[in-house]
Amino acid sequence: TQLLEQSPQFLSIQEGENLTVYCNSSSVFSSLQWYRQEPGEGPVLLVTVVTGGEVKKLKRLTFQFGDARKDSSLHITAAQPGDTGLYLCAGTGTASKLTFGTGTRLQVTL
Amino acid sequence: ETGVTQSPTHLIKTRGQQVTLRCSSQSGHNTVSWYQQALGQGPQFIFQYYREEENGRGNFPPRFSGLQFPNYSSELNVNALELDDSALYLCASSLGGNSANYGYTFGSGTRLTVV
Repeated sequence: TQLLEQSPQFLSIQEGENLTVYCNSSSVFSSLQWYRQEPGEGPVLLVTVVTGGEVKKLKRLTFQFGDARKDSSLHITAAQPGDTGLYLCAGTGTASKLTFGTGTRLQVTL
Repeated sequence: ETGVTQSPTHLIKTRGQQVTLRCSSQSGHNTVSWYQQALGQGPQFIFQYYREEENGRGNFPPRFSGLQFPNYSSELNVNALELDDSALYLCASSLGGNSANYGYTFGSGTRLTVV
């Protein structure tokens, strides 16, 4: 069974601070996706990383896929209240499903 | 381009009853996946339908069943509801039978409460 552990589970920071969320597994994934989910809504895809060691940037968000394709990180620079939400990593393998991580709930306050 | 729409948005059922949840996929998408998300957890894969055939199933009992129609919309049926079935049920559409690498478009979900 493929499992993805995210850390931290909860994060409460002030506007302007930086943060990093980690997504770790003992399994190799074909790709790793990051989603953000707000209350009452479904997850929204932020990025897909495919190649080991790949780094992608989306404005203030930086995503990295581990060299061995077993882990990933999400770094947010100068967090804003609009970044508040549940961040989910999800891995894909040979099967057709997404395996989601345990989630990191981020709250950014003024 | 319309997104993924799910109905109903909220539902309350009694233990032992049956429920049907519906999903309309995003225009141009032929694959629909269903996920169960318990409170405070990440979504868990239930099953996927591609061109009206089941194309993968997660660790859920047979009382969870589904259908996909020629227009690629889908239904999730749950029989003999249990209290632990209370969750947010998410539908996600994508293009291609093994298109997980390309990302999914999720609906807003159906919040099912079993009492």
